[in-house]
Order: sequence, then structure tokens, then C-alpha cells
Amino acid sequence: AQKVTQAQTEISVVEKEDVTLDCVYETRDTTYYLFWYKQPPSGELVFLIRRNSFDEQNEISGRYSWNFQKSTSSFNFTITASQVVDSAVYFCALSEAGFSGGYNKLIFGAGTRLAVHP
Amino acid sequence: DVKVTQSSRYLVKRTGEKVFLECVQDMDHENMFWYRQDPGLGLRLIYFSYDVKMKEKGDIPEGYSVSREKKERFSLILESASTNQTSMYLCASSSLTRQIYNEQFFGPGTRLTVL
Repeated sequence: AQKVTQAQTEISVVEKEDVTLDCVYETRDTTYYLFWYKQPPSGELVFLIRRNSFDEQNEISGRYSWNFQKSTSSFNFTITASQVVDSAVYFCALSEAGFSGGYNKLIFGAGTRLAVHP
Repeated sequence: DVKVTQSSRYLVKRTGEKVFLECVQDMDHENMFWYRQDPGLGLRLIYFSYDVKMKEKGDIPEGYSVSREKKERFSLILESASTNQTSMYLCASSSLTRQIYNEQFFGPGTRLTVL
């Protein structure tokens, strides 16, 4: 069965600290996609990144970086030098490449609430 | 700019009322989705639609129905609202041609309180 686990419910840091959000997934498929979404206080989920299962290269985008390790089924997200504007709920999600019931189902983790204090 | 809009940001209803949540997208997407978001549970899929007048149950369809009469509009209906349906409801859409990548675009959500 597909599952996404975000063990950290809430994280609180002080501005400029680095913070890592953990994501562990389970799937039987060899082809799948992993996502991170950000949900700021406004409520709208914002797409951050998509990774396919064949691409284990780490990705860096400004202060954001992602570490994908198939050996440990993890897709962790690090924010370097955090800022108050990074305060949000972050969701990790998994999608398998095959069609299930007519579309690619997106399985979300429970989310991690990040609070960055000045 | 891609846009998914939801009719209300906040809604308060009474138990037993019929509730309509509306979602409109302007991206000509074939797929539309309704999720509910609860603390500690993440997002759970209620229903989705891959074409006009077509609908499929998601993981938690009980107590809900949907309507898709036009491609751009997807409505979630609570026939008789109950207190356990108090939640944040999120609408999303995605393109059929890029379905394999599952890039879903989300609306701002409707926070529904049932008293």
C-alpha cells in the first residue's frame, strides 16, 4: 500500500536557522513521483518540487534543497537560513505512475507545520 | 496565471442543512478534485472528475456528492451537513495531457464549520 509519513508534526525555529523536514514513503511501484507542497496561512497549496523515482540527484533552489534517497525511501526537504515567510504547513506527497481508477492518485502525508520566529 | 477559485473562504452552517461548495478553474483542465484537510490527517480525496458529468469516488465519499455540469466548475454537495464534516475543503485541478506528472493546482480552500 502507498503511504507517506511526515513524522514531525510541528517544528519551531528561530530565523536564520537551517531546518530539515522529513518525508518517508512506501510504494510497491518502481516508477513514481514525489512532491512537496507549501501551504501558507492563506490556505492555497503551492507546488514546490516534483521528483521522479529514476532521478536521485539532489535539487537546490535558492535556500531550498531536497535530498532523495531511494535506499531509505526518503525525500527530505531542507530550508537554509530560514525566514519568517517560510512559516507554513509543508506537505510531502506520492504519486504512482500507473493509473488507478482513471487518474494518478496523489497520496499526501499529514503535513509538518513550520514556525519561524524572528 | 493559473487560477482555481472557491466560492467562499469561510462558511458556517447548521446541522442538517444542504451545503454547496463551488470551485471554478480557468485553465481548461479536464480533471478536478475535492479534498478535505484535517489536522494530523493531511489531505484526503473525497471525489474527483475527469470530464463533464463524470465523477469517481475518492477515499472518503460518504456524506458527499458532486456535480460537474461544465468543464470549469466542480461542486461539492453536503446533502445533510453534520458536525463531523467541519473541515477545510480544498479544490484542485489538473490537465489530462500532463496527468502522469500529477501537477495539481489548488484553490485557497473553504473552511466549513457545521454547528
